[in-house]
Amino acid sequence: AQTVTQSQPEMSVQEAETVTLSCTYDTSESDYYLFWYKQPPSRQMILVIRQEAYKQQNATENRFSVNFQKAAKSFSLKISDSQLGDAAMYFCAYRSRMGNQFYFGTGTSLTVIP
Amino acid sequence: DVKVTQSSRYLVKRTGEKVFLECVQDMDHENMFWYRQDPGLGLRLIYFSYDVKMKEKGDIPEGYSVSREKKERFSLILESASTNQTSMYLCASYPRNTEAFFGQGTRLTVV
Repeated sequence: AQTVTQSQPEMSVQEAETVTLSCTYDTSESDYYLFWYKQPPSRQMILVIRQEAYKQQNATENRFSVNFQKAAKSFSLKISDSQLGDAAMYFCAYRSRMGNQFYFGTGTSLTVIP
Repeated sequence: DVKVTQSSRYLVKRTGEKVFLECVQDMDHENMFWYRQDPGLGLRLIYFSYDVKMKEKGDIPEGYSVSREKKERFSLILESASTNQTSMYLCASYPRNTEAFFGQGTRLTVV
């Protein structure tokens, strides 16, 4: 089975600064999706950003961008100009294009310091 | 907007009770999941369903069962609740080749 590793259980960032959350994954497949999800305290898990493995260009959504290194099996999330509302648990996830299952990391808890 | 609704946000049940967690999606998605979320362990897949009346075990199916009689509804059943099933339960659905959409979660406490 595929594994997803988030090695930073907790991170903190000053408001308006930039922070990068790390994620690595293990797979023998070449065609897959990678995701970052955000789960604010006591609130619903929502998608932050999605990357398709066959696309070389890194995905970007406003202040959120990824650094996708396919050979290294690395998928980090960069949050620029951090805001108080970015405080949440962030999960990295993998899904094979042909498969039904999502594989999640253990999460990184992000604190934003005013 | 996509909507996945779980029947309860918070639930307290007694040991040995039969517990039903309901999840409904309004997007006509084929695939639905039940996850359990515990601190430090991330999301662990309990069961998933890729069609009506179809189900497959995930990583931690012991002590749970599921039912999918209609496409929009996927129920998780704890046959005889135990204290080690105290957790956050997340339901999700997705069509092919996109991201998963999550419900708001049910925090279950078994006393």
